[in-house]
Amino acid sequence: AQSVTQLDSQVPVFEEAPVELRCNYSSSVSVYLFWYVQYPNQGLQLLLKYLSGSTLVKGINGFEAEFNKSQTSFHLRKPSVHISDTAEYFCAVSDPNAGNNRKLIWGLGTSLAVNP
Amino acid sequence: DGGITQSPKYLFRKEGQNVTLSCEQNLNHDAMYWYRQDPGQGLRLIYYSQIVNDFQKGDIAEGYSVSREKKESFPLTVTSAQKNPTAFYLCASSIGTDSWRYGYTFGSGTRLTVV
Repeated sequence: AQSVTQLDSQVPVFEEAPVELRCNYSSSVSVYLFWYVQYPNQGLQLLLKYLSGSTLVKGINGFEAEFNKSQTSFHLRKPSVHISDTAEYFCAVSDPNAGNNRKLIWGLGTSLAVNP
Repeated sequence: DGGITQSPKYLFRKEGQNVTLSCEQNLNHDAMYWYRQDPGQGLRLIYYSQIVNDFQKGDIAEGYSVSREKKESFPLTVTSAQKNPTAFYLCASSIGTDSWRYGYTFGSGTRLTVV
């Protein structure tokens, strides 16, 4: 079965520094990939998604992610973070074996803490 | 504006009581989902529904029940059989049968606390 691993549970970083949040998935078959952000006590908001085409995907708030099929990875990056980027980030992948009951498979999340 | 409304935002329940969490969407989405979120455990799927009057159990359905009588509404009842109900509950929706292509839209959540 498909699974998603977010390699870092917590990532502390200083403001204006670059950041990378790592995500690996288990299956090498064609998948759809998503990154979501969750601010404290709120729901999740879609940052970006990869369905096909260019492996570099740009999203909202200056984030981007690169799909690497050979390494089954979909790492999220931002060249310069702000205090307001402090949040929980979730990676999700489609389940290609779910048939008509397709649903997203979620990582456990990475807590990004941006310090002044 | 279209979106998902969850109510209430905070809910307190006494042990042994059933409580119902509301989820309403005006996005005309076919599929709706309920997730439970606990610290360090990510999102765990409770129930989902792809069409009116039909729903399926997710990974942690025990102690919960749902109904889908209208396309717009997908209420979740936390029953007294749920032994550890204190958590943050998230409702989501998505377009049609290809929902996995488009991702989900989430509500702002309900925090349930057993007192």
